[in-house]
Amino acid sequence: EVQLVESGGGLVQPGGSLRLSCAASGFTFSSYSMNWVRQAPGKGLEWVSYISSSSSTIYYADSVKGRFTISRDNAKNSLYLQMNSLRDEDTAVYYCARDTGYDTDPFDYWGQGTLVTVSS
Amino acid sequence: DIQMTQSPSSLSASVGDRVTITCRASQSISSYLNWYQQKPGKAPKLLIYAASSLQSGVPSRFSGSGSGTDFTLTISSLQPEDFATYYCQQSYSTPPRVTFGQGTRLEIK
Repeated sequence: EVQLVESGGGLVQPGGSLRLSCAASGFTFSSYSMNWVRQAPGKGLEWVSYISSSSSTIYYADSVKGRFTISRDNAKNSLYLQMNSLRDEDTAVYYCARDTGYDTDPFDYWGQGTLVTVSS
Repeated sequence: DIQMTQSPSSLSASVGDRVTITCRASQSISSYLNWYQQKPGKAPKLLIYAASSLQSGVPSRFSGSGSGTDFTLTISSLQPEDFATYYCQQSYSTPPRVTFGQGTRLEIK
């Protein structure tokens, strides 16, 4: 069974840092591209970042570029999101999601999400 | 950037109704369009990919159509478990990699 389990969320002050993790199991993690998607309270979905299976290709949304860093460790079946210079507007549930690899890049498995709250 | 606009933003319907949700792209995205369902407190679930392909395990009452700029998600006969929020997603343009529509909330009438 495919499972994605996020961790690392919590309360952080504006300007602070946080590192999210996503532990993958039930599939060959090293064969799949991965994404982070977030959802602010009561709002819609916002894609945050993408990393290819070998880490050779990485993309970021403009809203987080220069502040967030996506990475992965295929030996540990883990995906990460290092978040620096956090702002109030980064408050959201953060999901990791597996990219199917189909042409239209649908995300077929999602974690349960981890809540990040940026507040003083 | 490509903008995705869903309509309506919310919709009330009854069990058994046929429901259609529309997603419009600000420019052509071919068939690079996926649909998700999200229930409160839960992660999104993939329903349709490539505009019209049904994801494995998704009931056949869900269908998708369209190409270019205009797309639809249709639920042929609403079931109680279908009341949720639906999102379209495009992945045609990079950057950004992906953009979502603002969502359509489907409520019980």
